[in-house]
Formats: sequence, C-alpha cells, structure tokens
Amino acid sequence: SQQGEEDPQALSIQEGENATMNCSYKTSINNLQWYRQNSGRGLVHLILIRSNEREKHSGRLRVTLDTSKKSSSLLITASRAADTASYFCATGPGSTNKLIFGTGTLLAVQP
Amino acid sequence: DAGITQSPRHKVTETGTPVTLRCHQTENHRYMYWYRQDPGHGLRLIHYSYGVKDTDKGEVSDGYSVSRSKTEDFLLTLESATSSQTSVYFCAISEGQGPFSGANVLTFGAGSRLTVL
Repeated sequence: SQQGEEDPQALSIQEGENATMNCSYKTSINNLQWYRQNSGRGLVHLILIRSNEREKHSGRLRVTLDTSKKSSSLLITASRAADTASYFCATGPGSTNKLIFGTGTLLAVQP
Repeated sequence: DAGITQSPRHKVTETGTPVTLRCHQTENHRYMYWYRQDPGHGLRLIHYSYGVKDTDKGEVSDGYSVSRSKTEDFLLTLESATSSQTSVYFCAISEGQGPFSGANVLTFGAGSRLTVL
C-alpha cells in the first residue's frame, strides 16, 4: 500500500484562483516532499518540508505540515494555465532512503 | 532531464519475453530508483540502489530484478514480461541529502513506455 494519499484526485479552477491539495500519510516521517508532473514528462521536485517545520514557502507555493494529523497541504496562489499538472507528495518510510509517492492530484487551470 | 537518460523510450514486446530497461546518469549520484506509473496508482517504487552492487526492494518488486555494476548505470529487467507489467517506467537519481528518511530529492528521467502484448 502507498504511504501517501492526495486529495482531491482531480481539481479544476480558473486562472488567478488559488489551488489547495492535501496529502495524508500513514507512518511517522522526517521529511515530506512535493513534486509536479506535466503530462508525458518525468516528475519535478517542488519543495521539501522537514518534520520540525510547520510551513514553508517557495514563490507562489505554500506547504504546510501537521505531523499530529499526518497530513500536508500544498497551496498554489494566483494559479496560471502553466500550473496545469499532476501533483504528488512523497515520504520516506522508516530509516531507509526509499521515497514513496502518493496517488497524485490532477490540477487543471482554465484560462 | 539533464544528466539522466532512459532507454529505450518506447518498447512493445510479447508476453514471456525478457526486457531490460536502462537508466544512465552522468551526475555521479549515489542513489538510483526505478518506479512504475499506472493510472489510479500514481508512482510505485520497484527497486532502488544506494551504491554499486547495493540494491533493495520497493513496493512492487515481484517480477523485476535490477543490477548496478557501475555508478552510472541502473538496469531494470523483466525476466518474463506479462501484460500486467505494461506501464510507464521512470528512473530517478539522487545524490543523497542526509541520513534521514525522505530527504533524498529526486531528479527524474523522461520515462520508458513499455507495452506487453
């Protein structure tokens, strides 16, 4: 079974609106990452948040982490058509260097 | 995709035939990963390597084997391909960001689309 589950599975918004997607995971973590995948391409790393951080920003991205609820959220502000992509969270179970991905949220930003 | 190359990019094969996918990197990174991506399942880890000749199983390793005889190459082999192994396969590399789990930031290849008839 996968470590992370994103919610919603799909999200459609208008350009300029904010997009929020959530990730829930099952076991304790040290770090959580978010990746983006454009159609037909490999994944691209967006941001990493450590377990002792509650919030992190990178440009129009804001990531929050709530370890008590085993959940994270990714907020994209002032979305653009170019933000249309699938977004995945990823965590590393146990003490290994494996990185396990969730099922992803497909975001469509309408111009 | 700079620094990481997957080959072949597309392959059609028949059930029961062996298939080898190659991942080649020029970054001298320690870690290499193989994932498969299927609709509704996201990415699932097949195997990963933490050094030359050092590999470990992932979530869906049955039916797959890997080898890493040198730093730059990580091979994924399907000994006898089945239709359930039709998928898009992604290789990823990481230099390793520390001993804590989930800290490795991955760079992905462009993917290899495999169809098993």
